[in-house]
Parts: sequence; C-alpha cells; structure tokens
Amino acid sequence: DTGVSQNPRHKITKRGQNVTFRCDPISEHNRLYWYRQTLGQGPEFLTYFQNEAQLEKSRLLSDRFSAERPKGSFSTLEIQRTEQGDSAMYLCASSSQSDPYEQYFGPGTRLTVT
Amino acid sequence: AQSVAQPEDQVNVAEGNPLTVKCTYSVSGNPYLFWYVQYPNRGLQFLLKYITGDNLVKGSYGFEAEFNKSQTSFHLKKPSALVSDSALYFCAVRPIYNTDKLIFGTGTRLQVFP
Repeated sequence: DTGVSQNPRHKITKRGQNVTFRCDPISEHNRLYWYRQTLGQGPEFLTYFQNEAQLEKSRLLSDRFSAERPKGSFSTLEIQRTEQGDSAMYLCASSSQSDPYEQYFGPGTRLTVT
Repeated sequence: AQSVAQPEDQVNVAEGNPLTVKCTYSVSGNPYLFWYVQYPNRGLQFLLKYITGDNLVKGSYGFEAEFNKSQTSFHLKKPSALVSDSALYFCAVRPIYNTDKLIFGTGTRLQVFP
C-alpha cells in the first residue's frame, strides 16, 4: 500500500501522560498536514510542513503540542501532559508539489485519554 | 471568520434517485473548494475539487459539484444514488492566499435506502 500511513491506529493513555504519533506520507510528497477530528465535527487544521519546514500552526496547537518533520519525510506529533479534551482522531495528510491542491489522508490515530 | 456550512446533518434518498448534499462557504476572495467522503474506519477520500474554470466539476464515483459564486455554494450531486454511496461527506475550502490548510464543514451523513 503506497498511501499515507499512521501509527499507532489507536492509543489509550492516562491523563498527564505524553503521547507521540507518527505519520508516513506518500513517497515524494513534500507537504504534510496534521488535522484533528472530534466526534460529530469536521477535521480541524493543526499544522503543516513543506519538506522539513513547519509553515503554519493553528491556534489550536497549544504549547503542549509539538510536531516535527526532521528529514522532510515522516512526521511526528507529540502531545505532552495529555488532557481528556485531547481525545480525538488525529489525521495526517500529504500532497505533492505537482498537485498541491489534493490532500491524501491517512486512516488516522484515535486517541483516548482516560 | 472563514467557515464552511453544511446545513443538513443527514440526507436520506432512495437508491436510483438523484441526490444533493449542500455546502455554503464564507471565505474572502475566490477559494478552492473540495468534497471528501469518509467511510467507517477509513480515512477521508478525495472526491472532487474546484479550482477555476467550468462551474460544474466532475469527480470520482459519478459525483459532480456545482460552484455558484453569487450564492457562495458548492453543492455535491449525483444523478442516481447507490446504496454503496452511504457515507459521511465533508465539504472543504482552501483560502487561496498564504495557506495550504483546508477548512472543513461539519459533515453530512448520506443514507441511501434500497
């Protein structure tokens, strides 16, 4: 499968713990996006990268959230000191330089904070 | 504020009948417009996009959408619905200037009955 992959698919953690998610974009896609989706809502933009540069961050991305894409390939999203309100589906998407309009989404990582 | 509205939480249609899923947006300028579909336990799948040109755009699985600038709408349509079209549909906009992020609506659940 050459689509966007995300790991883990599910994560249950206790409040106050740190969690890290990984996203592997489609090969050679230079842009990578993170979104968060809560029940009954559409995805909300968190941040995006062009290669290794983080170009935009949403105000939703508090200082407990950090994202990296160190080599311009895979990306990680870390949440420190998780709160119950962080429970959501975290979606990753990627797009290519030749067609930057179409974002291909991964299956998501479902986070449950107890 | 930039936003996307999908006024119907659910649309019910009989198989073989035409379907319409509504979307309106509030974004300055002429944004890019998208429709995505989400099946259970699967990621968002791209259906179609409007960038420029003909107001009627055709996409995957027989879907099409009509851009109406004066009404700031981008309704999704299909001439003949299939039971397999039952899913959650999201409209999204991308403001043209200085951002790649997508702004999503809250989604419309399409239920096609045999």
